Amino acid sequence: SAVISQKPSRDICQRGTSLTIQCQVDSQVTMMFWYRQQPGQSLTLIATANQGSEATYESGFVIDKFPISRPNLTFSTLTVSNMSPEDSSIYLCSVAGGEYQPQHFGDGTRLSIL
Amino acid sequence: GQNIDQPTEMTATEGAIVQINCTYQTSGFNGLFWYQQHAGEAPTFLSYNVLDGLEEKGRFSSFLSRSKGYSYLLLKELQMKDSASYLCAVVDSNYQLIWGAGTKLIIKP
Repeated sequence: SAVISQKPSRDICQRGTSLTIQCQVDSQVTMMFWYRQQPGQSLTLIATANQGSEATYESGFVIDKFPISRPNLTFSTLTVSNMSPEDSSIYLCSVAGGEYQPQHFGDGTRLSIL
Repeated sequence: GQNIDQPTEMTATEGAIVQINCTYQTSGFNGLFWYQQHAGEAPTFLSYNVLDGLEEKGRFSSFLSRSKGYSYLLLKELQMKDSASYLCAVVDSNYQLIWGAGTKLIIKP
């Protein structure tokens, strides 16, 4: 399966600031996703990153708060904007070769907002 | 609405067998995944079922009954390293992946 590099692995940020998380894959992939996972809870899909066009956001997530870029088939970024303590979470990118293919995850970014 | 149910937590003994159940009510069905997630790590893919029956992969097996909206993950010869959360996820008719809340499995010596 693809090797997925996610950066940074963790960060501590001040409220009101923004952080951009990068997801790099070692091969071209059809689908890329961004998730959030609160401690002890399951995964919540933020959006599907679409190559060359705007991301598709899930209910409760908006582009102004979580802008996403996907300039090519191997790279995507998620920005968490104007952060508040409620944004403290683990953010994960995942990739899949198609709709019936399993998703494979990066190691995640552990974000804490003070 | 769409719903996936799994037990919150289970405890088993090293060397034993454990079955983790998953029931689902979704708008359509295009397959079911099981993932393993160790604490502090990302989920890793375990199995995929789209047809009824049992899929065996080493110590792990996964079963699916589409008519009952039911799946289970069977872990044999349990090892301490199997202590993790196990996530069930269903692909619905829109090819969206619906995630269960996960089952935390605790293995005792």
